Amino acid sequence: AQKVTQAQTEISVVEKEDVTLDCVYETRDTTYYLFWYKQPPSGELVFLIRRNSFDEQNEISGRYSWNFQKSTSSFNFTITASQVVDSAVYFCALSGGNDYKLSFGAGTTVTVRA
Amino acid sequence: DAGVTQSPTHLIKTRGQQVTLRCSPKSGHDTVSWYQQALGQGPQFIFQYYEEEERQRGNFPDRFSGHQFPNYSSELNVNALLLGDSALYLCASSPGFGQSSTEAFFGQGTRLTVV
Repeated sequence: AQKVTQAQTEISVVEKEDVTLDCVYETRDTTYYLFWYKQPPSGELVFLIRRNSFDEQNEISGRYSWNFQKSTSSFNFTITASQVVDSAVYFCALSGGNDYKLSFGAGTTVTVRA
Repeated sequence: DAGVTQSPTHLIKTRGQQVTLRCSPKSGHDTVSWYQQALGQGPQFIFQYYEEEERQRGNFPDRFSGHQFPNYSSELNVNALLLGDSALYLCASSPGFGQSSTEAFFGQGTRLTVV
């Protein structure tokens, strides 16, 4: 079974601060995919990144960066120089093997104050 | 290019009633998945449809059923509604079946309230 744990329920920062969201996963599959989604108040889940289990390279996209470490089963997400528009709920998710569904964590609510 | 569209956006039903939610996938997508998101929780997988068949199902009772039409659109039906069915129901579409089906685009959801 797939399991994703996001230990941080809520994070509040002041604009321009960096914020790191933790994600720890459990899976027995050797091939799996990890995801991050953003859910603004409108409710729609916005895809941010997908990473497969064989690619441990860190990735940077603008102010977003991701750190994937198989040794600790973690896939952490950092927002650099946060902005008010980054305020949302962020979900980490996992799929693997022949299980094509997404298993989501409970989410972390990020509030960026001006 | 329209993304994933869901209707209605909000719905209020009474316990015991039945409800149907609708989803039109993104153009070019043929796989549709449904998720239930209770308040303050992450989405939970209900089921996935491809080629008009249910391909995978999550841990939901038979009161939850679905259908996919030849144009790839989909419906989610819930019978004998319970208060606990109150949630945001999200539809996701993706191109093809298999791991590519996890490259999912989500709709804005239908907020169902059962009273």
